[in-house]
Amino acid sequence: DQQVKQNSPSLSVQEGRISILNCDYTNSMFDYFLWYKKYPAEGPTFLISISSIKDKNEDGRFTVFLNKSAKHLSLHIVPSQPGDSAVYFCAASGRGSNYKLTFGKGTLLTVNP
Amino acid sequence: DGGITQSPKYLFRKEGQNVTLSCEQNLNHDAMYWYRQDPGQGLRLIYYSQIVNDFQKGDIAEGYSVSREKKESFPLTVTSAQKNPTAFYLCASRKNRAQEPQHFGDGTRLSIL
Repeated sequence: DQQVKQNSPSLSVQEGRISILNCDYTNSMFDYFLWYKKYPAEGPTFLISISSIKDKNEDGRFTVFLNKSAKHLSLHIVPSQPGDSAVYFCAASGRGSNYKLTFGKGTLLTVNP
Repeated sequence: DGGITQSPKYLFRKEGQNVTLSCEQNLNHDAMYWYRQDPGQGLRLIYYSQIVNDFQKGDIAEGYSVSREKKESFPLTVTSAQKNPTAFYLCASRKNRAQEPQHFGDGTRLSIL
């Protein structure tokens, strides 16, 4: 069973607009959530994280929102740039898990000039 | 520069052979992890190690083995028992501190000849 789900395999946006990537989870023990960005044939790069005690975390153009009651988080990128084109993975870890991460399958973001 | 080095970038193996993938980090991180990525899939955890001389199985450990004799190094051996070894293998590390993210190397692509 997939505990972390990214239901949109791909997303296309115009440069300068907002990109919104979504992630749902089923395990109520998850309390720490991360977003990674990945280019082909490279390792994922950590972008931003959020603890379950918060509902928002911001870092420059990137903001992550957490809705615990809906078991949903989203990553907002504003404004989107062509260099943001990559696969974005949502990941989660839970209490007592030694910070092992469970990943979603990723969303391919394409930002068109 | 500190970082995580995976070598080689590309690796080819004949049927029935064992092969070892290297992962070295100079970040003074305590924990190290091995993941596997298949096309269109998220990352799946193979093995992880919180401290030297100790490691635990992840979700898909069958057909793999690891060692952690030094803090800096966490090699992964893909044995002939692994039925579908062709994949992109990623190594990660993190500081054992609350809510520290994992950081990744650039991966090794293993192919069966």
